[in-house]
Amino acid sequence: ILNVEQSPQSLHVQEGDSTNFTCSFPSSNFYALHWYRWETAKSPEALFVMTLNGDEKKKGRISATLNTKEGYSYLYIKGSQPEDSATYLCAFNPRDSSYKLIFGSGTRLLVRP
Amino acid sequence: GAVVSQHPSRVICKSGTSVKIECRSLDFQATTMFWYRQFPKQSLMLMATSNEGSKATYEQGVEKDKFLINHASLTLSTLTVTSAHPEDSSFYICSGARGTGFSYEQYFGPGTRLTVT
Repeated sequence: ILNVEQSPQSLHVQEGDSTNFTCSFPSSNFYALHWYRWETAKSPEALFVMTLNGDEKKKGRISATLNTKEGYSYLYIKGSQPEDSATYLCAFNPRDSSYKLIFGSGTRLLVRP
Repeated sequence: GAVVSQHPSRVICKSGTSVKIECRSLDFQATTMFWYRQFPKQSLMLMATSNEGSKATYEQGVEKDKFLINHASLTLSTLTVTSAHPEDSSFYICSGARGTGFSYEQYFGPGTRLTVT
């Protein structure tokens, strides 16, 4: 059974705070790790696809790191804004079924103005 | 680019009836489409994978006779929940993939909330 765990389940921060969440996944059988941002009533939006150990990706105030040897990825948001409020999902592609996405249950972020 | 639509966004049906959900890729050709289900407070779980013109591949524990998938073209896949029961009430979401490059990127629709009464 392949488990993808995300923590925390939910997070409330004040506007301007920086925050980070964790995604842990099986370190063996790794192909890729995806981060999605999912606002209510909208489609999940792809943020990053990460494939190499040590990868760091950045998009505006959001960045992510990847450690495939120990099986974790961090997502960072610098200077959170109310529009960052969403559920952040990570999803793991196993090497033996690289078309599959195995999702974590997400981290729900609420940024208070 | 890479927009996927789903219709309907919400549907309520009576127990024993069938419901069809459509998934369309609007600006790209989806060689593969995926159907996921999400129960409250749980992860998105893959139900099945379909390639255009082929039979769908179902994940373990998903009844293929209950969840009929048709991928008739490179831009349209449908999921029909046959003889729906209250336990089928869930959030169903599809995605399409172009299948290019090293990483298999999937583009998601906004989902369909199914309630079976």
